[in-house]
Order: sequence, then structure tokens, then C-alpha cells
Amino acid sequence: AQTVTQSQPEMSVQEAETVTLSCTYDTSESDYYLFWYKQPPSRQMILVIRQEAYKQQNATENRFSVNFQKAAKSFSLKISDSQLGDAAMYFCAYRSPGNQFYFGTGTSLTVIP
Amino acid sequence: DTGVSQNPRHKITKRGQNVTFRCDPISEHNRLYWYRQTLGQGPEFLTYFQNEAQLEKSRLLSDRFSAERPKGSFSTLEIQRTEQGDSAMYLCASSPSGGPRGYEQYFGPGTRLTVT
Repeated sequence: AQTVTQSQPEMSVQEAETVTLSCTYDTSESDYYLFWYKQPPSRQMILVIRQEAYKQQNATENRFSVNFQKAAKSFSLKISDSQLGDAAMYFCAYRSPGNQFYFGTGTSLTVIP
Repeated sequence: DTGVSQNPRHKITKRGQNVTFRCDPISEHNRLYWYRQTLGQGPEFLTYFQNEAQLEKSRLLSDRFSAERPKGSFSTLEIQRTEQGDSAMYLCASSPSGGPRGYEQYFGPGTRLTVT
């Protein structure tokens, strides 16, 4: 069965600094998608970034980038120039070829002014 | 706002009662998903529709849960004979099935269920 592990329940970062959130997953598939979602307090979940497993190049979206290590089954999220609005719960997610999504338990990010 | 909407946003019910939630996806999205999220956990997959067809259903979903998506538009999730363990946030998400944004889910605000 696919599992997604986020080993950091909480992280904090100074405003304008960089932080990296970790995620590992377990799968026997070779073709899949990985995602990072952000869930601000009392607000709905929004997509931050996605990575196709067949692509070697790491995805980037403005201040957000990933480090995708397929062999190690690792998918970390780097947030550069952290802003107060980045404070949220961050979930790593795996999409199987059968279109089922599996989420990690989340990392709560605090941004310190 | 053309995002995913869910109603009601909050529902308090007594144990043993039935409840029904509604999800209206983004109009051009033909895939629709239901998740359950408890405090401190990530969303847990419940079921998934492509158009009106229910293609996947979690083994964790008991027979008390049923979902429909008539005509491939809105969807309803019904829980019969609710139990206290059903208390959670129920999330709906939709996605297109192809194109550059295929496989990206867009989530609704959720329905928070409290069973007393």
C-alpha cells in the first residue's frame, strides 16, 4: 500500500529566510504524481506545486521549489524568502496511477516576523 | 466565485441520525473526490467519481456511507446511523481529467460534522 510520511509535525522559519519541509513516500509504481498542498487555518486546501515522476527536473513555482529524489522516494518542499502568509499546514500527497490520492499527516509551518 | 462549494459548512447531529452533504465541483471538472479529515491528520480518501461513475471506494468506507453523482454534476455524501467516530471534516475536491492541469485537485471549504 502507498504511504506518505511527513516526519516534521512542526517547523518554524524567520520571515525572509528559507525553510525545507520533508516528505517520503512508499510505492512500487514508476509513474505517479506528487503534490504539496497548503491549508491555512480555517481555510481550504490549495495546491502549491506538483511533480511528475517521469520528469527529472525539479518543479518550481515562484518562491516554492521541490527536491525530488525518485530513487530515495523523497520529495521535499523548499520555501524561499518566507512570508507571513506562508504560515499554514502543508501536506505532501501522492497520486497513484489508479488516480487515488494519499496524503501525509502534515507539517505545521510558523513564520516568525 | 467558480471554485468548489460545499454545503452545509457545519452540521451537528445526534448519534444515530442520517446526514447528507452536497458538493458542487468546478463546472468543467469531470472528476470528483470525497475525503475525510480528522484533527491533526491529512485528508483520507473516501471515494472518487469520473462523471457519474463511482470508480473507486476506500475499503475504510463502511456500508453506512454512500455517495452519488447524478448526471455527473454535483455529488452527495450520505452517512446513515451516524456514530461519534464520524465526527470530522468532509472535504470535496474536483479535477479535470486531462490537459496541462490534469490530476490537480481543487478543494472545497469542507463540511464539519459533529456527532453528539
